[in-house]
Amino acid sequence: NAGVTQTPKFQVLKTGQSMTLQCAQDMNHEYMSWYRQDPGMGLRLIHYSVGAGITDQGEVPNGYNVSRSTTEDFPLRLLSAAPSQTSVYFCASSNNYGYTFGSGTRLTVV
Amino acid sequence: TQLLEQSPQFLSIQEGENLTVYCNSSSVFSSLQWYRQEPGEGPVLLVTVVTGGEVKKLKRLTFQFGDARKDSSLHITAAQPGDTGLYLCAVHGSGNTGKLIFGQGTTLQVKP
Repeated sequence: NAGVTQTPKFQVLKTGQSMTLQCAQDMNHEYMSWYRQDPGMGLRLIHYSVGAGITDQGEVPNGYNVSRSTTEDFPLRLLSAAPSQTSVYFCASSNNYGYTFGSGTRLTVV
Repeated sequence: TQLLEQSPQFLSIQEGENLTVYCNSSSVFSSLQWYRQEPGEGPVLLVTVVTGGEVKKLKRLTFQFGDARKDSSLHITAAQPGDTGLYLCAVHGSGNTGKLIFGQGTTLQVKP
């Protein structure tokens, strides 16, 4: 049982480059979310989805896009990376109880 | 303004000591969750509390939800080095189950 799978685990981007962080879950969970974690800031919600075809903004959505075409996948897109987006990104899914998190993607924008 | 305020932010103690971590808010919640995160990993759910005044125990960890459902505490008895990690409380934002909001976390270091 894989749970929540995030790829890649590490990524270095140059300012202005675009990329997609992948997230897949195999638990048939309705809810999926993306968070970023920065020192002293806890986890901040970027975007979330309550089902396929439905997404909404969290606390810090600027600079990020998401889509949810299937129940299993919830990719996060950075259209034009900025140094302020250097962070650790976590994807999570839930079935209305506790959330299950992936192991994270460490992104550095130079 | 943080919806959830955790204290203390950092705690460094010796093995065998007891400790309490707090999660406070001015808002009322239908439920509250506690997670633990180890370095290089995502958070892992420890417990969900749903009733005002509720107390749940998980081995040496005791979780309490405030009577008014605005705050919670986590007490660890006889801490061990394996308890080291980041402890996070979280609630569903605006009653929306799809939107989980976290406190800033308490970093706990237990020295042998």
